[in-house]
Amino acid sequence: DAGVIQSPRHEVTEMGQEVTLRCKPISGHDYLFWYRQTMMRGLELLIYFNNNVPIDDSGMPEDRFSAKMPNASFSTLKIQPSEPRDSAVYFCASSLGGLNTEAFFGQGTRLTVV
Amino acid sequence: SQQGEEDPQALSIQEGENATMNCSYKTSINNLQWYRQNSGRGLVHLILIRSNEREKHSGRLRVTLDTSKKSSSLLITASRAADTASYFCATDKLSFGAGTTVTVRA
Repeated sequence: DAGVIQSPRHEVTEMGQEVTLRCKPISGHDYLFWYRQTMMRGLELLIYFNNNVPIDDSGMPEDRFSAKMPNASFSTLKIQPSEPRDSAVYFCASSLGGLNTEAFFGQGTRLTVV
Repeated sequence: SQQGEEDPQALSIQEGENATMNCSYKTSINNLQWYRQNSGRGLVHLILIRSNEREKHSGRLRVTLDTSKKSSSLLITASRAADTASYFCATDKLSFGAGTTVTVRA
């Protein structure tokens, strides 16, 4: 397996534009996590899914953020409209068995909103 | 909060020396995990230690867990330049602390 795949690796967008980040988890993993990493706030858990169903979205910062998992092999994190303070590295991770097992991280998407 | 907090924030050592970092947490846990992050990359899992375990080894890594003190430590022995990275602990909810940045000088 190629591991968790995120796209794009880098995204530069203008303030107010819609941004969509994509993630393909490891095949067979039933949990998927979205994280945001910044120097100021560290690594924040935004939302996680179990069997494609959102379980905890308490970390999603605002209504401008939304995440979906239409099937077991694909998830998106959307920001609409984007703001400069959304600039960060966004990571997707997946695991087999949940919060108490090893999570496998993607390489991240570095988002810059200008 | 179930988030782990690492200490120290940064550590600089000479190649061949040992590096020790600590993680403290506030609530009861089922297990604790340690991860490494190289610059510009995603996190990589190192070790998971369960609440009924006191010590665990993996190669040059040794993790201890003291549930009475709600703390864990990660020891890297005989450090190498390739060990330069940030190290994070995570508790049950996969909540991470700010990490310890380790620099190994050649």
